[in-house]
Formats: sequence, C-alpha cells, structure tokens
Amino acid sequence: DIVMTQSPLSLPVIPGEPASISCRSSQRLLHSNGHNYLDWYLQKPGQSPQLLIYLASNRASGVPDRFSGSGSGTDFTLKISRVEAEDVGVYYCMQSLQSITFGQGTRLEIK
Amino acid sequence: EVQLVESGGGLAKPGGSLRVSCAASGFTFFETWMNWVRQAPGKGLEWVGRIKSKTEGMTTDYAAPVKDRFTISRDDSKNTLYLQMNSLKTEDTAVYFCTTEAPFDYWGQGVRVTVSP
Repeated sequence: DIVMTQSPLSLPVIPGEPASISCRSSQRLLHSNGHNYLDWYLQKPGQSPQLLIYLASNRASGVPDRFSGSGSGTDFTLKISRVEAEDVGVYYCMQSLQSITFGQGTRLEIK
Repeated sequence: EVQLVESGGGLAKPGGSLRVSCAASGFTFFETWMNWVRQAPGKGLEWVGRIKSKTEGMTTDYAAPVKDRFTISRDDSKNTLYLQMNSLKTEDTAVYFCTTEAPFDYWGQGVRVTVSP
C-alpha cells in the first residue's frame, strides 16, 4: 500500500499570512499519462470533506485562487497565499494511483 | 445539482450486521464509480472501498481492515449505493460517507455507525 505522510500535523497561522502543507508518498504518484494522482481536501468543522486540488495542481470548481498545489513524484505541497478565518479545518492529501489512501491530516487553526 | 444522501446507520453489537445506503441524484449514476470513506470519532479519513460501473463489471475493491467483512453493491435502477457490513467490530465505529469517483468532487453528509456491546 502507498503510505501518505503529511507535515506539519498542526498549523497555527495568523490571518493574512501564508501557509504551506507538505505531503509525501511512499511511492511515486506519477502515472504514465503524465498526471500525478494526488488530491487535496479540506474538512471544515462539522462538515463533509470538500475537494480543493486534484491531480496535484488543478483547483476544483469554486475554490479561491489563494489555494495552490504543486509537486510531482513523491513530494507535494498545498499553499495558501493568505489565510482567512474560513480556511480553518483539517487538510488531507489523498492518492488514487493505487487504490486510495489518505494522509493523516493537518489541522489549520487561526492564531 | 448533485446530491448524495446516506441512510441506515445506527447501533450494532460486535459480530452483528448493518447496511447503509446512499441515494444519488443529479449525475449519471450508472456510469460512475462510487466509493465509501469513513471517519472514526476524532480521527482522519479512511477509504473503505469502491465499486466500478456495470460496464466495467461492477468490480469491487476494499481496504484491508474491511475486506471479507464488508460488501459494496449498487442498484443502478434506483440510483442507490449500498454498504453491507458484517462481523462488525468496535473499531468500525465511524461516520460513513459515500463519494463519487476520484477525485472526490461530491460527498454525502455521512451516516453514523456505532458498534458497541
């Protein structure tokens, strides 16, 4: 199984400041079709998860452009250019190249 | 508008069984792979399993912790996804979400399953 490792697990951020979350996979997520099968989700308190980024760097419909995804192979990053109060929640990376596995989650809180 | 509505959760004893359902609307259900994801209390997301479309044989795949105990099925005539859970363990206590195929654009609101003596 592919193991997904996120860091940090807790991320206190001042509103307006940037934030970054790392996700590493135990195997390369790059398919022969050129896509990295890595997605990012945000689960806000009391809600179902929502898709933020798919195939490593594509913003899902309706996701603000302050969110961006990058990386390839085994190392991926989610960046928030300027954190807002509504960004609070737990962020998960997920691979879907071989079966599906999630990272442990990163809890973003406002300082 | 895409909607996924889970139902059928509740309380079961260890070793017991429970079936949860997911009613889908707003998209072409019959040609969409469907997944179940669960979240134990205070824990992260865990993929449970998936079922492919009829044209791909309705093939199923399961995570190791539930393999041989859980069965995913679908009724395309009712636009409904099912998760049959047998030989339940206390560690199966979780909120169960149905989702579409990866990337998971759409999620249900979740249904709570509690396994307790």
